[in-house]
Amino acid sequence: QQPVQSPQAVILREGEDAVINCSSSKALYSVHWYRQKHGEAPVFLMILLKGGEQKGHEKISASFNEKKQQSSLYLTASQLSYSGTYFCGTGRTGANNLFFGTGTRLTVIP
Amino acid sequence: NAGVTQTPKFQVLKTGQSMTLQCAQDMNHEYMSWYRQDPGMGLRLIHYSVGAGITDQGEVPNGYNVSRSTTEDFPLRLLSAAPSQTSVYFCASSYRQKYEQYFGPGTRLTVT
Repeated sequence: QQPVQSPQAVILREGEDAVINCSSSKALYSVHWYRQKHGEAPVFLMILLKGGEQKGHEKISASFNEKKQQSSLYLTASQLSYSGTYFCGTGRTGANNLFFGTGTRLTVIP
Repeated sequence: NAGVTQTPKFQVLKTGQSMTLQCAQDMNHEYMSWYRQDPGMGLRLIHYSVGAGITDQGEVPNGYNVSRSTTEDFPLRLLSAAPSQTSVYFCASSYRQKYEQYFGPGTRLTVT
């Protein structure tokens, strides 16, 4: 029931771009993205709703293709502060809660 | 606002002991939930509540009980601790269940 995230891990140099993907086998009405730094709680980044909306947050943006049940998170010109584990949480039709993926560990090095 | 608070931060239990993890929020959120996080498993939902007096099971509810007598508080009870319940537990709240979730700082539980 969990969505599948890819890649599982990625290492970037400062200034490079990355894409993190999230896909589900179930019909979705929303996708949430969270970032968790080591030893801390997950922090909300953005939410995407049914309709293919693309939302942005400074240099982090995301898209949601409801027909393919997929979402992608785009990180451009990465900074050291982007390091952490990124989780997608999917909201499914008929369910009251989110289902989280197993995470993508992103490491940005100087 | 304090946001979502959890106590304790760390806890060690012996097999068979019971305890309650506390969670409180001061944002007047209707939706509250408990997750456990294990290495490589992501966040798995234990129980959730859509309002005071209403609770429901998530993906991994066995061995845990919850109640929601007030909007602010959502305690999680471990009935008889087992080593398989060693994990980091996060409480989260949101305005409604489809809105962004705010997580507490977590409780790291070890069962020996």
